[in-house]
Amino acid sequence: DIQMTQSPSSLSVSVGDRVTITCQASQDIRNYLNWYQQKPGKAPKLLIYDVSNLETRVSSRFSGSGSGTYFTFTISSLQPEDIATYYCQQYNYLPYTFGQGTKVEIK
Amino acid sequence: QVQLVQSGAELKNPGASVKVSCKSSGYTFTNYFVHWVRQAPGQGLQWMGTINPDGGATSYARELQGRVNMTRDTSTNTVYMELRSLRSDDTSVYFCARGNQPSWYSYFQWWGQGTLVTVSS
Repeated sequence: DIQMTQSPSSLSVSVGDRVTITCQASQDIRNYLNWYQQKPGKAPKLLIYDVSNLETRVSSRFSGSGSGTYFTFTISSLQPEDIATYYCQQYNYLPYTFGQGTKVEIK
Repeated sequence: QVQLVQSGAELKNPGASVKVSCKSSGYTFTNYFVHWVRQAPGQGLQWMGTINPDGGATSYARELQGRVNMTRDTSTNTVYMELRSLRSDDTSVYFCARGNQPSWYSYFQWWGQGTLVTVSS
């Protein structure tokens, strides 16, 4: 199975700060990498698909980059409504696998 | 608009079975694969399996093989996930999610609201 190593596991930031999360795959997953946001008690929400494509109606302060095995997710200017846990996910191979999640909190 | 509506919370004894439903609307049911993902309390996301509503072919996570069964009813646009021989570590929120295309390899574009299954005596 493909292991997705996401870091950090949590971070505490101020409103307006830039947030960067990384995700490393145990082998080449080409560009089949997605990012989801999950708020407490809610279903995950797709933010970015195929490394860098913004899902419809998702804020442009979210972005993604990378290729092969190393990927990054960025929030350009953190807003209070961005408080959530973020997951990367690969779908180049079955079984689909997720990173362990990054919990973003307000400092 | 696309909607996936799941059945309500369940409380089951160890060793029992549970069947969770996921009713789709707002799109052509047989055109998109449906995936199941679960989340134990305070934990991350785990893919359980996928069903192709057009024909009913399935693919399951290795660790659930033999205990999980995914089916669909095209007359009601509903997908079902049955998990047997429940254990306490199956206590989770179970989500269905629609893929973005008619393929095993699709991202999870639309999600159900989740169904809490609690396994406890």
